[in-house]
Amino acid sequence: KAGVTQTPRYLIKTRGQQVTLSCSPISGHRSVSWYQQTPGQGLQFLFEYFSETQRNKGNFPGRFSGRQFSNSRSEMNVSTLELGDSALYLCASRLTTAGTPETQYFGPGTRLLVL
Amino acid sequence: AQTVTQSQPEMSVQEAETVTLSCTYDTSENNYYLFWYKQPPSRQMILVIRQEAYKQQNATENRFSVNFQKAAKSFSLKISDSQLGDTAMYFCAFMKLPPGNTPLVFGKGTRLSVIA
Repeated sequence: KAGVTQTPRYLIKTRGQQVTLSCSPISGHRSVSWYQQTPGQGLQFLFEYFSETQRNKGNFPGRFSGRQFSNSRSEMNVSTLELGDSALYLCASRLTTAGTPETQYFGPGTRLLVL
Repeated sequence: AQTVTQSQPEMSVQEAETVTLSCTYDTSENNYYLFWYKQPPSRQMILVIRQEAYKQQNATENRFSVNFQKAAKSFSLKISDSQLGDTAMYFCAFMKLPPGNTPLVFGKGTRLSVIA
């Protein structure tokens, strides 16, 4: 079974621009979570989507948004980019049956550099 | 809120030796999962091992085992017969059980270098 895939793998943007990152979960997995990884703050949770609905959100400004499609693929968008948004963005998927938190499997990440 | 602390920013071990990485966590929850993830230079986050808090038996996966002390809120990872491929950042992570869907809460990580 193919793993979690993320596109693009690398991205360079300038301040003020917006960016969209994509994540395709493992086949059959219905939950997709997004994390931001920086040297200073470590790994921080952005949001989680399940069945096209955001069901959990981390402490990030409204410039960070996401969505999930009917095939469970997810996108996250960052508008009005700031230098501090430079980070590795990791996507993770899990199966999710009612009442049980399964293990999250991670994609290779998208490295975003904001100049 | 839950917190996860990894007190060893960096560690090194000789090839074929054993090394233990420490992790402590703080939570008022009784039911939760604990994980160790490995992130090699490729940056791909890989699950190493998982422990359910309701299980008293420590989890083991080949050369990797944990020492889970629930009362002490401690969750250390032991790597036996260390290999060069074990060189990576290791993250300890916490997830509480429902109700309420919760994300992984990560520690800051321990950078492990395996030396030939």
